[in-house]
Amino acid sequence: GAGVSQSPSNKVTEKGKDVELRCDPISGHTALYWYRQSLGQGLEFLIYFQGNSAPDKSGLPSDRFSAERTGGSVSTLTIQRTQQEDSAVYLCASRGTDRSSYNEQFFGPGTRLTVL
Amino acid sequence: RKEVEQDPGPFNVPEGATVAFNCTYSNSASQSFFWYRQDCRKEPKLLMSVYSSGNEDGRFTAQLNRASQYISLLIRDSKLSDSATYLCVVIDRGSTLGRLYFGRGTQLTVWP
Repeated sequence: GAGVSQSPSNKVTEKGKDVELRCDPISGHTALYWYRQSLGQGLEFLIYFQGNSAPDKSGLPSDRFSAERTGGSVSTLTIQRTQQEDSAVYLCASRGTDRSSYNEQFFGPGTRLTVL
Repeated sequence: RKEVEQDPGPFNVPEGATVAFNCTYSNSASQSFFWYRQDCRKEPKLLMSVYSSGNEDGRFTAQLNRASQYISLLIRDSKLSDSATYLCVVIDRGSTLGRLYFGRGTQLTVWP
């Protein structure tokens, strides 16, 4: 079946502009995660959705970052007034409830964001 | 202190070599442990879970030492296709369900 998809694959923007990143999780996966991978920093957690609610937003680095999820499926991560330090690869992952793969998260290919 | 620490590497080994990666985690309440593999400019993919009793999957062996908060991955008979970055990953008991904590990764290059 289809895996996690993300769009756009690459985004170049100017400092101060807003950007929207999209994630389509695997169909039926109720848990959705956003992570960020910066050069030399490893992957860091941003936000977690269970269905449409976000019980853990603790990883969002500032109030310029927000995310939503609608219909228990597609999620968008919005970064307002982008800064150069926002440049990174933004990865989305989803997880199902099948006990046999309870903990496995399936990652999308990521969106590479470059802020000039 | 970072939650998960790994050997930074890089490790450069010839085909057929045995190579081992180490990882330590800081939270004694950590519950689940994994190794993920990430190819250059690709997304991470689950390589294997790590169990207290140790587990093996073909050429790959993972070990967990809860007392020392230490995780290892051993790769035997290295192949060119094993070249990648290996990420040590933990999940904490009581944290957001499934939230992953990643090490920064260990880069492996296998040469012919």
